[in-house]
Amino acid sequence: RKEVEQDPGPFNVPEGATVAFNCTYSNSASQSFFWYRQDCRKEPKLLMSVYSSGNEDGRFTAQLNRASQYISLLIRDSKLSDSATYLCVGGGKLIFGQGTELSVKP
Amino acid sequence: NAGVMQNPRHLVRRRGQEARLRCSPMKGHSHVYWYRQLPEEGLKFMVYLQKENIIDESGMPKERFSAEFPKEGPSILRIQQVVRGDSAAYFCASSATGGIDSTEAFFGQGTRLTVV
Repeated sequence: RKEVEQDPGPFNVPEGATVAFNCTYSNSASQSFFWYRQDCRKEPKLLMSVYSSGNEDGRFTAQLNRASQYISLLIRDSKLSDSATYLCVGGGKLIFGQGTELSVKP
Repeated sequence: NAGVMQNPRHLVRRRGQEARLRCSPMKGHSHVYWYRQLPEEGLKFMVYLQKENIIDESGMPKERFSAEFPKEGPSILRIQQVVRGDSAAYFCASSATGGIDSTEAFFGQGTRLTVV
């Protein structure tokens, strides 16, 4: 089993839609988790950290479910500028999931 | 406060030559990670280093690849006798702390290696 697995993409959604990504991890000892976004194969940029209690930043909400070993990212009111590849990563040696491509259409 | 600096940004090597990729972590960061991204693929973990130590190199190819992070100076990813299949983007990231409760990692802009 891969250390981190993500929903396969691509996700094609209209502007204003709500979209959710899930990511499962196998290392139950991991304590820290993050979501990154990557545009056009440039360097990944940190989107948000994922805390046990869940956290929200504007239109973005990240949650952690330790019992089922997955993290999720919810994007509300999608914008064209949200189009990117979203990567999840767990603590340790920071293994990334394969990424989920999101395409927001007008 | 400069971010993670990688150089060169672009590197062209002929088959059989050596490639040296450098990564200077953010100030105050002592943990460095190297990743490779082949065309049309995701980020693949290669190696995790802390100052003067290789913590995990499970993602490194067994031959021709090596990495170091000396006490002074940048981290170096070295590829000997490059082949066409080594053409990829190589990203470096650094974090202040590591391990299972590591802090956020920040990425350099990457080195695009082309082997001709």
